Amino acid sequence: DAKTTQPPSMDCAEGRAANLPCNHSTISGNEYVYWYRQIHSQGPQYIIHGLKNNETNEMASLIITEDRKSSTLILPHATLRDTAVYYCIVRVAVSGAGSYQLTFGKGTKLSVIP
Amino acid sequence: GAVVSQHPSWVICKSGTSVKIECRSLDFQATTMFWYRQFPKQSLMLMATSNEGSKATYEQGVEKDKFLINHASLTLSTLTVTSAHPEDSSFYICSAAKRGAYNEQFFGPGTRLTVL
Repeated sequence: DAKTTQPPSMDCAEGRAANLPCNHSTISGNEYVYWYRQIHSQGPQYIIHGLKNNETNEMASLIITEDRKSSTLILPHATLRDTAVYYCIVRVAVSGAGSYQLTFGKGTKLSVIP
Repeated sequence: GAVVSQHPSWVICKSGTSVKIECRSLDFQATTMFWYRQFPKQSLMLMATSNEGSKATYEQGVEKDKFLINHASLTLSTLTVTSAHPEDSSFYICSAAKRGAYNEQFFGPGTRLTVL
């Protein structure tokens, strides 16, 4: 799976949009971009994933550049509960059961400030 | 839907004893479950992949005789840390993928193991 690069930490004011960047310059054509987050002392939580089109769900938006070498996770209105470590992971999609583990990097520690 | 539980949430044990951690998918069938370990201020590291009814696949450097994994049903996987030592103290997290929806993993809340 392709390697990702994320800033180690970011701050965001409560109520503002949090934009978390991720570089994945060696991504292959069949690899998806996944985002997870981990609140302190909890298991990771799935946020969103995409291939090349921008995606939006109730939690966040994912913007992937046209060359797919980078992406941005957007939390439109950050709250204190969004303080967590955010992980950007690239991985091939799978169509059946088997070994398709997620490889976690160091992620970005997002601190939402009142 | 897609809830994964772990039991216990935390455990303290003496050095040399064995500890069993359970991972359950509460409202879905999970053909594959994963076990991760996370040391303080570090990222999650995959330990092993467990497929229902077959032997687990361990990552390089993880001792299969020390970390016993059993995936006897589509809703339960167990991790047993045998002869635990203080260096095994860590946060153990499992995840599971739904049958037919393999591109999304659901994580348990984790188990904090402290070995004295």
